[in-house]
Amino acid sequence: AQKITQTQPGMFVQEKEAVTLDCTYDTSDPSYGLFWYKQPSSGEMIFLIYQGSYDQQNATEGRYSLNFQKARKSANLVISASQLGDSAMYFCAMREGDAGGTSYGKLTFGQGTILTVHP
Amino acid sequence: AAGVIQSPRHLIKEKRETATLKCYPIPRHDTVYWYQQGPGQDPQFLISFYEKMQSDKGSIPDRFSAQQFSDYHSELNMSSLELGDSALYFCASSLGNEQYFGPGTRLTVT
Repeated sequence: AQKITQTQPGMFVQEKEAVTLDCTYDTSDPSYGLFWYKQPSSGEMIFLIYQGSYDQQNATEGRYSLNFQKARKSANLVISASQLGDSAMYFCAMREGDAGGTSYGKLTFGQGTILTVHP
Repeated sequence: AAGVIQSPRHLIKEKRETATLKCYPIPRHDTVYWYQQGPGQDPQFLISFYEKMQSDKGSIPDRFSAQQFSDYHSELNMSSLELGDSALYFCASSLGNEQYFGPGTRLTVT
């Protein structure tokens, strides 16, 4: 069964608008971490944001915020004030076995969502 | 800030040849991971090391091996290369929650 699901193969947004990229996950482990990465056409994987399953507040990093809804098992990425440079592939990933601070586990990725920002 | 370093960035090999990919983690990071990303696919976990010991293993072919050295750098050795091994190979390192990826090595097998 797919552990991370990104149902939007592609998304379009107008420059300066906000956009939400969807991610749902499936795990029976009470301790886990959720990640978002950006992969531009050049290929590198850029870490954006992390949310631990026990974190009480939604994670935020600059223009990125993670809308964490534990009961729904969703971890959507919200990008505010989109910029042309935000055009890229975005991956949601999960690490199971997070122990409230440190963990050394592998990441399982979703299929990705291609975001295109229009001027 | 220092990032994960991978070398080489691009590599072209022929079938049945061998390849060695190198990874230098962020200083003081104690865990190294290797991932393989095929064309149009998401990254797949291969293997990881914590404090120079193998900590987890994913779908890594028997033709591949890896190790982490005393200076914490890691090498992924790939033998009897096949066309299907053509992919982007990432190394990542972590110390705590966040996992940072290197720029990747693009391997092309012809």
